[in-house]
Amino acid sequence: AQTVTQSQPEMSVQEAETVTLSCTYDTSESDYYLFWYKQPPSRQMILVIRQEAYKQQNATENRFSVNFQKAAKSFSLKISDSQLGDAAMYFCAYSPGVMKGAQKLVFGQGTRLTINP
Amino acid sequence: SAVISQKPSRDICQRGTSLTIQCQVDSQVTMMFWYRQQPGQSLTLIATANQGSEATYESGFVIDKFPISRPNLTFSTLTVSNMSPEDSSIYLCSVAHSLRQRSSGYTFGSGTRLTVV
Repeated sequence: AQTVTQSQPEMSVQEAETVTLSCTYDTSESDYYLFWYKQPPSRQMILVIRQEAYKQQNATENRFSVNFQKAAKSFSLKISDSQLGDAAMYFCAYSPGVMKGAQKLVFGQGTRLTINP
Repeated sequence: SAVISQKPSRDICQRGTSLTIQCQVDSQVTMMFWYRQQPGQSLTLIATANQGSEATYESGFVIDKFPISRPNLTFSTLTVSNMSPEDSSIYLCSVAHSLRQRSSGYTFGSGTRLTVV
């Protein structure tokens, strides 16, 4: 079974600095997706960034980028120029690539990110 | 991506009673998922609801406790039955998007914060 591990329960960073959140996963599949979701106090799960396993190029979305190391099964999230609005719980998640039957998301334990002004 | 309307956003219920949570999607989707998020924890899948068939429950969750309905491709309900304080959690619905049988992401409802007293 696939598993996702986030080893940092909490992280903090100064506003405008850069922070990296870690995620490792385990799967025997070669075709899959990895996601980072943000959950602010509002409870809404917000997609931050998505990576397709067959793409070697790391995904980027404005201030957010990933370091995808497929062989090491590592998928870290880098937030540049941290802003107060980035404070939230961040979840790493995995899903299979091909939709066959019910394909669920598998979540990591989450990392709580605090931004210090 | 789809937009999900989830109701109620929060409720405080007496133990022994039941609460039904609704999710309405603005487009037709094949798969809908129901998650539970206990305080300070990650998301745990309760069940997968497909239109026209019985929901598929994950280990540790049973239909008598969490009955699910999926009458059409845009709507689903989750009932939390015979509630106890241990059921106090956030409950979220989610839909999977696919394009040509490949996963293209997941969207979440805004969550229902349930407190059982």
